[in-house]
Amino acid sequence: DAKTTQPTSMDCAEGRAANLPCNHSTISGNEYVYWYRQIHSQGPQYIIHGLKNNETNEMASLIITEDRKSSTLILPHATLRDTAVYYCIVRVYGNNRLAFGKGNQVVVIP
Amino acid sequence: NAGVTQTPKFQVLKTGQSMTLQCAQDMNHNSMYWYRQDPGMGLRLIYYSASEGTTDKGEVPNGYNVSRLNKREFSLRLESAAPSQTSVYFCASSQGENTGELFFGEGSRLTVL
Repeated sequence: DAKTTQPTSMDCAEGRAANLPCNHSTISGNEYVYWYRQIHSQGPQYIIHGLKNNETNEMASLIITEDRKSSTLILPHATLRDTAVYYCIVRVYGNNRLAFGKGNQVVVIP
Repeated sequence: NAGVTQTPKFQVLKTGQSMTLQCAQDMNHNSMYWYRQDPGMGLRLIYYSASEGTTDKGEVPNGYNVSRLNKREFSLRLESAAPSQTSVYFCASSQGENTGELFFGEGSRLTVL
């Protein structure tokens, strides 16, 4: 699976949109982009995934560039409860051996 | 719904002792997974079971054994615990291997002295 690169940490203002970047420059055509988050000491939680098109659900939006080499997870109105480690993962369809890197520690500041 | 339930939540072992971590899911999922997470690190896959009756090694299987007891339950056994196995262990399940949406338990914190 393609490797991903994320910032080690970032701060976001409460009530503002939080834009979390991820680079996956070696992604293949059959690989999806998945996002998970892990709130302190809890098990990771699935957020969203996409292949080529932008995706939106009740938690977040996922914007994938046209060349698919990078993506951005958008939390539309960040709250303090969004403070977590966010993982960007590239996954081949049919392979659930997900590789969680160190992720991006996001802190939402009041 | 309970989702994915892990027991015990905390355990302290001495080097050389054995123990089994239990995991059960009530979502009728086909696939189950065991991960470990060390401080400041991401999760690493130990073993997984794509379906009832099958198990496969993940990234870090040494020192562990697993049993897919039935569709609901997937246990992880440490036969002779070592301090390097001190970690937080997470069990997860998914509908199958065609979906990347995994549901995780709350974790089991294991300390080996």
